[in-house]
Formats: sequence, C-alpha cells, structure tokens
Amino acid sequence: GAVVSQHPSWVICKSGTSVKIECRSLDFQATTMFWYRQFPKQSLMLMATSNEGSKATYEQGVEKDKFLINHASLTLSTLTVTSAHPEDSSFYICSARDLPSGRTQYFGPGTRLLVL
Amino acid sequence: GESVGLHLPTLSVQEGDNSIINCAYSNSASDYFIWYKQESGKGPQFIIDIRSNMDKRQGQRVTVLLNKTVKHLSLQIAATQPGDSAVYFCAENGGSNYKLTFGKGTLLTVNP
Repeated sequence: GAVVSQHPSWVICKSGTSVKIECRSLDFQATTMFWYRQFPKQSLMLMATSNEGSKATYEQGVEKDKFLINHASLTLSTLTVTSAHPEDSSFYICSARDLPSGRTQYFGPGTRLLVL
Repeated sequence: GESVGLHLPTLSVQEGDNSIINCAYSNSASDYFIWYKQESGKGPQFIIDIRSNMDKRQGQRVTVLLNKTVKHLSLQIAATQPGDSAVYFCAENGGSNYKLTFGKGTLLTVNP
C-alpha cells in the first residue's frame, strides 16, 4: 500500500520550454501532496504543499509563477516548470500523505530534469 | 529556522555488522519522526517512524531510538547487508501543517 508514482522518470528539454511532471497516489487518496527538489549529494528541499481543490502553498524563495502546481483530484498533482533554464535542472520528488490526519509521507521515485 | 542535522555524513561497515545512524534535532516542538532510505537515483523509502510519546520502536532489522531530553534520534540496523547501502535521512514534524524537515543525510556503505 501507499504507492506513489511519478511521470516521467526523466526528461531532457531545451531552455525556454515548459515541462510537466505528474505525481499520482496509486492505492490511496491524498488530500495533500508535497513537491521537493534535490540537488546531488544534498537533502530534500520542500518547494510547495499541494492541496486538493485549493491553491498550493509555496515555501519562501520558490517562485509560484515559475513552478505551477495543480492538484485537480485526490490522486493527482502536477508540477509544471515554466520557461525552464539550465539552473532548473534537478531531481524533483513528490510525496503524499495517506490519510487526512496521517503524518507519514510516501515518496514517488523522482523525476530527473535536464535543461539544455 | 530550526533544523534537523546528522552527526556523521558517512558510515562504512562490514557486512553482518550492526549499523547506527544518528540524528540531532533542534525543534523541541517536534513530536513525530521518520527515517527514510534513499538509494541512488530513487525517491526516499519509508523505513520506520516514531512519535514523541515513545522512546523506542522496532521493525524488521531496524530499531529507532528517541531521546527527547537531548533531542537525539538514532536508527539501528541489525546484521547490515549490502542492500542496505544508501543515504539515510531523518525527518521531523512538529506542527499541524504536516511538513517534514529533513536532515542532511548519512551515506551508509556496506563492505562485503
């Protein structure tokens, strides 16, 4: 149980294009999902909290117009990196809580983004 | 802001030995803690969690110890195997927003 998937697993794009990453909870409903960014040999940095049916809450320093988040259903949240630049290249990971009051986050496998 | 940190960035053990990974946290309001295992190129995998009303919790080959007095958390892995080689992160939560604060991570290397 508590399986989270991400798609795509890796993507290469040209500078200036937009990239959409999907995060799905496969066997449970997730009212809250989280998006993280991770650089090599570093810890996870929370970017935003995605709430089903409402606007995402972004962490300080994260541009909401740059990283668009949509949580349209209880099993799907999407992160769109708009007008991507090489400095946006990173490992993006989502997580989901399995219960409305649950505190455990289960993570997806991550998406490797390379912007040329 | 408050943070969760680790004493040892790397740990190398022999196969079959027991491993102990440590974590210090500074937020005294934290009342829920999780250990995650992250293999190269993959997302973090839940290992075990513990609430602040407990000081020890055991799983399969793993034990988490919590010392609230000194704000210290540890993960013990019994009979460490090569497949245990990964980066281990502690994470803590102390509020109603369900956010997790992650430590820096410890790279565990198991030598055959």
